[in-house]
Amino acid sequence: DTGVSQDPRHKITKRGQNVTFRCDPISEHNRLYWYRQTLGQGPEFLTYFQNEAQLEKSRLLSDRFSAERPKGSFSTLEIQRTEQGDSAMYLCASSFYGGSVGEQYFGPGTRLTVT
Amino acid sequence: AQTVTQSQPEMSVQEAETVTLSCTYDTSESDYYLFWYKQPPSRQMILVIRQEAYKQQNATENRFSVNFQKAAKSFSLKISDSQLGDAAMYFCAYRFDSGGGADGLTFGKGTHLIIQP
Repeated sequence: DTGVSQDPRHKITKRGQNVTFRCDPISEHNRLYWYRQTLGQGPEFLTYFQNEAQLEKSRLLSDRFSAERPKGSFSTLEIQRTEQGDSAMYLCASSFYGGSVGEQYFGPGTRLTVT
Repeated sequence: AQTVTQSQPEMSVQEAETVTLSCTYDTSESDYYLFWYKQPPSRQMILVIRQEAYKQQNATENRFSVNFQKAAKSFSLKISDSQLGDAAMYFCAYRFDSGGGADGLTFGKGTHLIIQP
């Protein structure tokens, strides 16, 4: 297993455009998480899925953000009508929930720059 | 809401020496998990060590160990025999398992660790 992967690694977009990021978790993991990290800060939780069900959404996840995890495998995070304040690193993590500490393993992130 | 505080924005240590990174947290729960993550300049977060709150014994992983003081809500990370490869941002994180509800990690702001050769 090669770990959590994310695509693209970098995205530059103009304000007002829509962007979509993809995350592929570790194959046997049933939980998948999205975080946002701005420069000099720790990651902030956005949302998570157990299999295909979205179980929690942070208040940081405005109406312009939507996440999906069809079939409980990969996940996508879409940001509509991007704003400069959306510029950040978007991190994906996965874990196996059920019987252990449930530690999360992170992907390399997608760096979004909104111009 | 849970909060995690790392009061040291930056720490510097000589190679081969020992350094301790501080972390305090606030929670009303009794059963939870604590983690230290390392984020090197390449930016991928790597799990360093984990601690279950119900375990009194401090976790150890090779050169990394923690001092978990549950009553004081303190969770410090000790790195022994520091190596150049330890240079990174270190984040303390908290997790409470609500059994199908809230499950996101709460992170501190991080400590930038510099290793002096």
